[in-house]
Amino acid sequence: EAQVTQNPRYLITVTGKKLTVTCSQNMNHEYMSWYRQDPGLGLRQIYYSMNVEVTDKGDVPEGYKVSRKEKRNFPLILESPSPNQTSLYFCASSSPGTGFGYTFGSGTRLTVV
Amino acid sequence: DQQVKQNSPSLSVQEGRISILNCDYTNSMFDYFLWYKKYPAEGPTFLISISSIKDKNEDGRFTVFLNKSAKHLSLHIVPSQPGDSAVYFCAASALGNQFYFGTGTSLTVIP
Repeated sequence: EAQVTQNPRYLITVTGKKLTVTCSQNMNHEYMSWYRQDPGLGLRQIYYSMNVEVTDKGDVPEGYKVSRKEKRNFPLILESPSPNQTSLYFCASSSPGTGFGYTFGSGTRLTVV
Repeated sequence: DQQVKQNSPSLSVQEGRISILNCDYTNSMFDYFLWYKKYPAEGPTFLISISSIKDKNEDGRFTVFLNKSAKHLSLHIVPSQPGDSAVYFCAASALGNQFYFGTGTSLTVIP
């Protein structure tokens, strides 16, 4: 089944404790992206990647890191999480042949206390 | 500054009638527009897209209209069904790179 898999689905952590949210896609898509969803703000892009070893900042990159060492994986790293990073995070992938329509993962609910 | 705006947070429609969801954008460089549907506890699902060289794209019950001069797009759902009840996001990009999303419109289709 074609899908984007994020882990974990839910995570509660403490301020300052480094964490990684993994994202993997099995569709051989070139594009991958991370979004966060907050009430009243919609989906905001954190980082995106056009291909392996090519990443770029989105709208709200502060406090986040990404890497794209393999085509299928695009982990999101929070080096020192803070409470304002409490949010719902989505990973997505796409390929030009799909008309740029992103396939999204099921989301990761992160709470930083 | 919000480059893509959905000014109606919610919309209620009777089953069988037309649902019209609206979206406005500010960046004239945007050349690709998409609509997504999102159910609770799930990721958004791609619904339909349109490029700036077109003014209309149809896919079954869903039609997207683009008015470039007004920087406005709309999604029409005809006929509306209870299963269409969800949050709808519009999104826009220039050259398919960074996508900007609206804040979403929650559609309720009343049986």
